[in-house]
Amino acid sequence: DVKVTQSSRYLVKRTGEKVFLECVQDMDHENMFWYRQDPGLGLRLIYFSYDVKMKEKGDIPEGYSVSREKKERFSLILESASTNQTSMYLCASAGLAGFQETQYFGPGTRLLVL
Amino acid sequence: DAKTTQPTSMDCAEGRAANLPCNHSTISGNEYVYWYRQIHSQGPQYIIHGLKNNETNEMASLIITEDRKSSTLILPHATLRDTAVYYCIVRETGGGNKLTFGTGTQLKVEL
Repeated sequence: DVKVTQSSRYLVKRTGEKVFLECVQDMDHENMFWYRQDPGLGLRLIYFSYDVKMKEKGDIPEGYSVSREKKERFSLILESASTNQTSMYLCASAGLAGFQETQYFGPGTRLLVL
Repeated sequence: DAKTTQPTSMDCAEGRAANLPCNHSTISGNEYVYWYRQIHSQGPQYIIHGLKNNETNEMASLIITEDRKSSTLILPHATLRDTAVYYCIVRETGGGNKLTFGTGTQLKVEL
């Protein structure tokens, strides 16, 4: 079974703090994604990566950066957390083609910025 | 523009089949139909996907109409643990393509 893990289920941070959200997958997938989910807005793509050290902006990249130094790990960084970044953050991974294209999600990190 | 239309909510008795409909009238030839579900406060869980043939796995069956403009997800024997929001998504092939989740159908399975 595919396993995608996220470093924290719940996180509370203060405005202005630097926040790191970690995601690890064990399926040797090339593609990894960070989404945020907010009530009434569905899932929105923040960034994705199709290979080590490669990254692409999604629909809402402002205020975020990412890092992919190893294939299995994709980190989301909030350089200076703000209250409007309070959200549920979801990581997903997927292979390149065919059945492997299916995206598998981690359990999510619920972030509260005070 | 929403690519899929689903009912907002549905109820189902435990042990009965749950049939969740989805309309995707503008689907194109290279787009798959995917179904995910999300139990409260958890990450979305992949259920099944298909292109034009009906599909079945250990979780569910997917019935796609011949014109591909609609589909139905069938949970053959719903249990209380199947209570979740179910999302129908159409997506182009290519592992780098994002998933666009709509508002989904809240399925409530009751005794």
